[in-house]
Amino acid sequence: KAGVTQTPRYLIKTRGQQVTLSCSPISGHRSVSWYQQTPGQGLQFLFEYFSETQRNKGNFPGRFSGRQFSNSRSEMNVSTLELGDSALYLCASRTQDSLGYEQYFGPGTRLTVT
Amino acid sequence: AQSVAQPEDQVNVAEGNPLTVKCTYSVSGNPYLFWYVQYPNRGLQFLLKYITGDNLVKGSYGFEAEFNKSQTSFHLKKPSALVSDSALYFCAGANTGNQFYFGTGTSLTVIP
Repeated sequence: KAGVTQTPRYLIKTRGQQVTLSCSPISGHRSVSWYQQTPGQGLQFLFEYFSETQRNKGNFPGRFSGRQFSNSRSEMNVSTLELGDSALYLCASRTQDSLGYEQYFGPGTRLTVT
Repeated sequence: AQSVAQPEDQVNVAEGNPLTVKCTYSVSGNPYLFWYVQYPNRGLQFLLKYITGDNLVKGSYGFEAEFNKSQTSFHLKKPSALVSDSALYFCAGANTGNQFYFGTGTSLTVIP
């Protein structure tokens, strides 16, 4: 089974621009979560989508948004980029609507804002 | 508030020695606990999980973890460390709200 894929792997943007990141979960996984990873903050939860609905949301400003499509693929959008948005953005998927199922992570998208 | 804590930013251990990476949790109800490993420029890889049952959980690459309810801990262990175990380790917990909480990570260095 193919793993979680994320595109693009690397991205350089300037302040004020917007960016869209894409995540394709493992086949059959309906839950997709997004995380921001920075050296000082560790993994910060952004949001989770399940069956095209946002089920959980972390403590990030409204500039961060996401959506999930009927095939479970998910996109994350960041508008009006700030220097502090530079980070590794990780997507994770899991199967079933159950806590017992671990998340599987993609390789991440490295976003650099200049 | 729900949280997972990893009290050590850095752990160094000699190759062949046992290793322990510490994790404590504050998750309401019956906790679901996980360990992940991250190698440079890679995503997180699942190592093991505790849902219910035996307090000692065995996972990938010879790792195991012990769930201790009285101490609210879920420490990761390995009897004999390898240089290739050097990586960043994350503990995570989940609650009934389907949200996962990650620790800040512990960088493990195994010294040859």
